This record gives sequence, structure tokens and C-alpha cells, in this order.
Amino acid sequence: DGGITQSPKYLFRKEGQNVTLSCEQNLNHDAMYWYRQDPGQGLRLIYYSQIVNDFQKGDIAEGYSVSREKKESFPLTVTSAQKNPTAFYLCASSPAGNSPLHFGNGTRLTVT
Amino acid sequence: QKEVEQDPGPLSVPEGAIVSLNCTYSNSAFQYFMWYRQYSRKGPELLMYTYSSGNKEDGRFTAQVDKSSKYISLFIRDSQPSDSATYLCAMSENGGFKTIFGAGTRLFVKA
Repeated sequence: DGGITQSPKYLFRKEGQNVTLSCEQNLNHDAMYWYRQDPGQGLRLIYYSQIVNDFQKGDIAEGYSVSREKKESFPLTVTSAQKNPTAFYLCASSPAGNSPLHFGNGTRLTVT
Repeated sequence: QKEVEQDPGPLSVPEGAIVSLNCTYSNSAFQYFMWYRQYSRKGPELLMYTYSSGNKEDGRFTAQVDKSSKYISLFIRDSQPSDSATYLCAMSENGGFKTIFGAGTRLFVKA
């Protein structure tokens, strides 16, 4: 079955540590995205990539970094510079712009 | 002011009721409109996808877009307990890669 795999499902880190969230897709989609979801705020775009080796900042990129070395993979690093990292992180992909997004089942990150 | 406004609810209805979910938006450049359903601790899944104004029906679901009023709706007929979830509206501009989401409405359908 084609889809998006996010791992791990739950992640716990101490404040001050960087952490990398994994996202892999086998849908052969060119575009990939990272969203953050907080209660009552909907989904907010962190970074997106239209094609391999290229990515753009979204609305809340500060404290995050990404790479897109392979079409299938778009890992997100939450750095110690992110002031409120505890959240539900969702990875998505689409064939192109203006196409509907296909989402993974998310990673819940808790930083204490 | 947020680009997309959506009442967070919760909305509680009896089984079999018709449910109406709505969003308003401020950006007149939005051309693509979507509704996603999200179960607890899962990723959103696409329910409806429409371009510009008009209606679209798929089974028990009907999506309406009124661009003149900057208002979109999702109707669910014969609601079922399995429809209990959070419903997110979303929209994007033509040629864009940035999809803007509403905050989501929590729906409870009581058996």
C-alpha cells in the first residue's frame, strides 16, 4: 500500500537537545511538507519541498531545519532554538502544487 | 485576523442528523478548497476537494463554496457515530504550494 510513514509515533526529549523526525513516502510524489498542529490552532506550515534538493520556509520555520536528499524522504530536525517544540508534527506529500495533501499519522513530540 | 476562520465547536448531534460545518476566509485569491477529517491521534484524510465556486457531492457528503461571500460549507447527511472526528477546512491559491488550514471543528455524533 502506498502511503506516508512517520516515525516514531511518540518522542520524548530533554530541553536543549536537537531531535530529528522521520518522514518517508512511497507515493512517488514530488512535493513534501511539514506541518505542526497545536490545540485550537489548526495546522501551521513549517517547511515544504517542491522537488529534491530544494525546500522553502513556511510560516513558522524558526527553530527547525530540513533536508531533501531523496524524493522519498523529508526529515525534520527540531533544534534547541525552537522555543515551544512540544506539539503534534504531521508530514504530508502531494503530486504537485494545488494537489490535495496526503498525510502521515504524525509524531507527537514532548520536550521537558 | 486569521486567513481562515472555523468554529472549533464541539458540535454534538444525534445519529441520523444533518450536520453543517462552515469556514470563512479573507483571501480572495484562494481557488482550491478542501475538507479533511481527522480522527484522534491520526493524520488528516481528504474528504472533499473543489475548485472555485459551486457544489460537489460524494455519498453522504456535500461541499459548497461561495466565493462571493468567502464562505465554504460541508454537509453530512444521515450522520453516524463513526463520523465523530475533527473536520478541517483548507484552501490554497492557484499555483501555490501553501495550504492554509482552519482550526478544525470537533464533531460528536451520539448513537
